[in-house]
Amino acid sequence: AQSVTQPDIHITVSEGASLELRCNYSYGATPYLFWYVQSPGQGLQLLLKYFSGDTLVQGIKGFEAEFKRSQSSFNLRKPSVHWSDAAEYFCAVLNQAGTALIFGKGTTLSVSS
Amino acid sequence: NAGVTQTPKFQVLKTGQSMTLQCAQDMNHNSMYWYRQDPGMGLRLIYYSASEGTTDKGEVPNGYNVSRLNKREFSLRLESAAPSQTSVYFCASSTLGILYFGPGTRLTVT
Repeated sequence: AQSVTQPDIHITVSEGASLELRCNYSYGATPYLFWYVQSPGQGLQLLLKYFSGDTLVQGIKGFEAEFKRSQSSFNLRKPSVHWSDAAEYFCAVLNQAGTALIFGKGTTLSVSS
Repeated sequence: NAGVTQTPKFQVLKTGQSMTLQCAQDMNHNSMYWYRQDPGMGLRLIYYSASEGTTDKGEVPNGYNVSRLNKREFSLRLESAAPSQTSVYFCASSTLGILYFGPGTRLTVT
């Protein structure tokens, strides 16, 4: 069965430091992959997506992610974290039928000053 | 252009009561979804509708019913609420595989 694993439940990063959030997926074919962000009390907003082509994708708010087929990973990165990046981050894969997204359980990011 | 709207924002129900969560989108998307979000569980799909007039079960459909009233509206009904249905409910619509989410409804069942 398809699944998405986010190994880190909670990460704390100092403001200005770099960030990497991990995501591993289980999927037979070429996956369609997404990262969403949820600020406290808000809905989810798309950060970036990978459908095909260049394996390094750029998103909004200075985020990027790299698709690595050999590792079944789609890790999210940001070179310098801002206090406003504190939120919950979800990795997701489009299901095989192409009808819905399967989400990981999320990683909560805290930013310390 | 409001995107995806949901009503109500908050609701408290007693066990056994019924209610309908409303969702509407103005982006002319064919597909719409209902997810629930619980701490440590991520988002789990309840039902989805690939087009007007069709609905399909997701991962956790028990205790829920849905109606795709027209292309814009997709409602979620709890016929007899249970404490296990305490959650935050998100409606979404999609195009080209990208989901656009509403602000959510926080439901508490006592």
